[in-house]
Amino acid sequence: SQKIEQNSEALNIQEGKTATLTCNYTNYSPAYLQWYRQDPGRGPVFLLLIRENEKEKRKERLKVTFDTTLKQSLFHITASQPADSATYLCALDNQAGTALIFGKGTTLSVSS
Amino acid sequence: NAGVTQTPKFQVLKTGQSMTLQCAQDMNHEYMSWYRQDPGMGLRLIHYSVGAGITDQGEVPNGYNVSRSTTEDFPLRLLSAAPSQTSVYFCASRVDREGNQPQHFGDGTRLSIL
Repeated sequence: SQKIEQNSEALNIQEGKTATLTCNYTNYSPAYLQWYRQDPGRGPVFLLLIRENEKEKRKERLKVTFDTTLKQSLFHITASQPADSATYLCALDNQAGTALIFGKGTTLSVSS
Repeated sequence: NAGVTQTPKFQVLKTGQSMTLQCAQDMNHEYMSWYRQDPGMGLRLIHYSVGAGITDQGEVPNGYNVSRSTTEDFPLRLLSAAPSQTSVYFCASRVDREGNQPQHFGDGTRLSIL
C-alpha cells in the first residue's frame, strides 16, 4: 500500500526566513498531491493542489514542488510570520482514487 | 455558507455505550468521508461515501457504521464504544470522488471513552 512520510515532526524557524517542509511517498505514483494547514482544535484547511505534470505551483508566499522521479513534494513558505505557525499536512489520493491519504504532518513554529 | 458542520463538538461516553456523530454539508458535494486523528498516527480514514446510498470502508472501519441516505448528511455510528475509540473525529467533503479537488473539513468531534 502507498506510504506518505513527512520527515520532520517539528520545524522551528525565525520570522522572515523561508520554511521548507518535505513530503515523500512510496509504492505509488499519484496524479495529484495536496497540502493542508491545521490549527490546534480545528479541522485541516486546503492550501494548494499540484498535478503530476506541474513541477511547481505558487500562491502568495506559498510554493509547492512535485518531483515524480524522487517521489517527493516540497512546501515552502517565504518571509514566514508567527501567524504561519501551524501543522502542515500533505495528502494524496489512494491508488483506487477513492480517498485522500494524509501524512502525519509537520508542526511549524515561527518565532519573532 | 456553513460548509461542513459536525455535532457534537465534545462527547464523553462510557464503554459499551452507542452514539452517532453527525456531519452535514451544504455544498451539494457528492463525496463525504470520516477520519479519526490520534497523536502520532495522523489522520486515518474510517469510511467514505461517493454519493447517496453508497458507502465503503477506509483504513480503520472496525467498530464504526455509516449510512448516506441524503447528499447532505453522513452520520458515523459507534455501536459499542471502546476506550480505543477515544479520538478526534473529522468529517470531510469534496465535489466528487475525483482526486483533483480540495477537501473541506469540519472542526471535529472530540470523543472520550471511559
